[in-house]
Amino acid sequence: GQQVMQIPQYQHVQEGEDFTTYCNSSTTLSNIQWYKQRPGGHPVFLIQLVKSGEVKKQKRLTFQFGEAKKNSSLHITATQTTDVGTYFCAGGPNAGKSTFGDGTTLTVKP
Amino acid sequence: SAVISQKPSRDICQRGTSLTIQCQVDSQVTMMFWYRQQPGQSLTLIATANQGSEATYESGFVIDKFPISRPNLTFSTLTVSNMSPEDSSIYLCSAWGVNTEAFFGQGTRLTVV
Repeated sequence: GQQVMQIPQYQHVQEGEDFTTYCNSSTTLSNIQWYKQRPGGHPVFLIQLVKSGEVKKQKRLTFQFGEAKKNSSLHITATQTTDVGTYFCAGGPNAGKSTFGDGTTLTVKP
Repeated sequence: SAVISQKPSRDICQRGTSLTIQCQVDSQVTMMFWYRQQPGQSLTLIATANQGSEATYESGFVIDKFPISRPNLTFSTLTVSNMSPEDSSIYLCSAWGVNTEAFFGQGTRLTVV
């Protein structure tokens, strides 16, 4: 079956440093979504990418979808303590029916 | 954006019993899904809830164990049947809005004793 791998599993940064998490799929994806989950909370949708090579920005967050539509990345510039949480990518052959990566847990030291 | 009300938020159940989890969305959505998440781990898709017809289950999940209903566009239930301690987990419903945005319920933390 489809596998979505995400690295790193954990990332500890000093406040103000940048952070990147990478997502790789064993198969071509029709789309990829990114979510943020705070401890004790539920996943919160951040964005969906659908086009090959697509790059989207949300303030300090930059999302990329690879040309082959098999990988993606989320980059946060100048992390803040409010960025802590686990970031999940999720993708699938069909919109909505997604396989989640294992997530990257970000901790930010003030 | 849509808001999903999921209940109960948590429950402690005896093994062998069943629990029904409800999700109500406050606006029209295209698709609804049910996930399971062990604390500290990723989400696993249980099934797609289809309006007015049988749900579509992922490998490893069967209707007899996890019956799902979706009588209309904005409401769905998941029942965890004949529970065992291995069913202890967080169950989440999810919906896709018409603007291609996903929403999650707050989750149901189930403990089976």
